[in-house]
Amino acid sequence: EAGVTQFPSHSVIEKGQTVTLRCDPISGHDNLYWYRRVMGKEIKFLLHFVKESKQDESGMPNNRFLAERTGGTYSTLKVQPAELEDSGVYFCASSQEPQTYNEQFFGPGTRLTVL
Amino acid sequence: LAKTTQPISMDSYEGQEVNITCSHNNIATNDYITWYQQFPSQGPRFIIQGYKTKVTNEVASLFIPADRKSSTLSLPRVSLSDTAVYYCLVGDPYSSASKIIFGSGTRLSIRP
Repeated sequence: EAGVTQFPSHSVIEKGQTVTLRCDPISGHDNLYWYRRVMGKEIKFLLHFVKESKQDESGMPNNRFLAERTGGTYSTLKVQPAELEDSGVYFCASSQEPQTYNEQFFGPGTRLTVL
Repeated sequence: LAKTTQPISMDSYEGQEVNITCSHNNIATNDYITWYQQFPSQGPRFIIQGYKTKVTNEVASLFIPADRKSSTLSLPRVSLSDTAVYYCLVGDPYSSASKIIFGSGTRLSIRP
């Protein structure tokens, strides 16, 4: 069974540019989460999709971040315009069960560097 | 929201049993205890989850005393490949995902 995949694995962009991260969850998983770790700090929650709907987006830092999950399959996270403090690793996770503390399957992450 | 406290780092040797303790003095009645493992350049991986007493799977055991104010993740006979960061999470499975806190974790280093 294929796990959660993320693309790209690395992205280096300049401040002010736009970057789009993609996450493909495990097939059949309705729940999709985005997290990030910036500047060596702790992993922080960004948002939670249930199918195509945003269940909780309280962790999104500001309106430069836009997440979508059209059709309830893969998800994209767009940062526009990117700032230096956005540098970090962005993780995606998916789960079958609705309970948030149950097992989540994480992807390998996308390392974003904003210069 | 239960806050957890774990040792920042631990060292051990191959073949030893490793116990990582997590303190969660403010754990609520509906909270479960979940442990994740993270290797460098990978996302966290679920290890084990429990509510009380003892839970065991093919990877680890989780010991939870009666007062549930702490828990211990036990890794039997560790190998070099167990070198990773281990996170203790405490929360209500039915709460919002925004309540999930990974914390700093425990960096476990296994030596030959």
